[in-house]
Amino acid sequence: QLQLQESGPGLVKPSETLSLTCTVSGGSISSSNYYWGWIRQPPGKGLEWIGSIYYSGSTYCKPSLKSRVTISVDTSKNQFSLNLSSVTAADTAVYYCASYNSGSFGDSWGQGTPVTVSS
Amino acid sequence: EIVMTQSPATLSVSPGERATLSCRASQSVSSNLAWYQQTPGQAPRLLIYDASIRATGIPARFSGSGSGTEFTLTISILQSEDFAVYYCQQYDTWPLTFGGGTTVEIK
Repeated sequence: QLQLQESGPGLVKPSETLSLTCTVSGGSISSSNYYWGWIRQPPGKGLEWIGSIYYSGSTYCKPSLKSRVTISVDTSKNQFSLNLSSVTAADTAVYYCASYNSGSFGDSWGQGTPVTVSS
Repeated sequence: EIVMTQSPATLSVSPGERATLSCRASQSVSSNLAWYQQTPGQAPRLLIYDASIRATGIPARFSGSGSGTEFTLTISILQSEDFAVYYCQQYDTWPLTFGGGTTVEIK
């Protein structure tokens, strides 16, 4: 069973870049079976898929966020990362990473990390 | 992008009763649909994928059905731990999209 763990700052200033890393254990991030995804949940609201990456570097992103999102993978560290630029208060959320089986459904999730955008 | 609409927003059910949750897609997603359960302060947990296949370790009281644009999650006999928020998600077409969720609360 895969385990995923998010890490990164819990507080980011407006207009700056939010950077998070997800460390995968219990399996290889180079597995051909998975995409690796980022999902967020604003306080009291529902889930929003941000984007997913394959170990080769192929990515898909939510169109409305695409101009601000960079997702990358580091196979040597078994990690993948999210950068979200020019953040505003609307980007305040719990951010989850997940393993997406065949790029489809999230079968293992990290515990989530809260990120607040505030000066 | 495909819009997923869940109904009702809130469902009040007594323990031991049946709960039926609906999810509608704005266009056909075939059977490329998953259901998740989220309890307060926890990450979502995969319940169902491919519209009707239970994920590993999910009790048989959870069942999914449907295809195309109309889907249903049924919890046959509600247990105390089943009171939670449930989300559907389509994976037929990028971008992946979630429904807004249905809260199952104790009546």
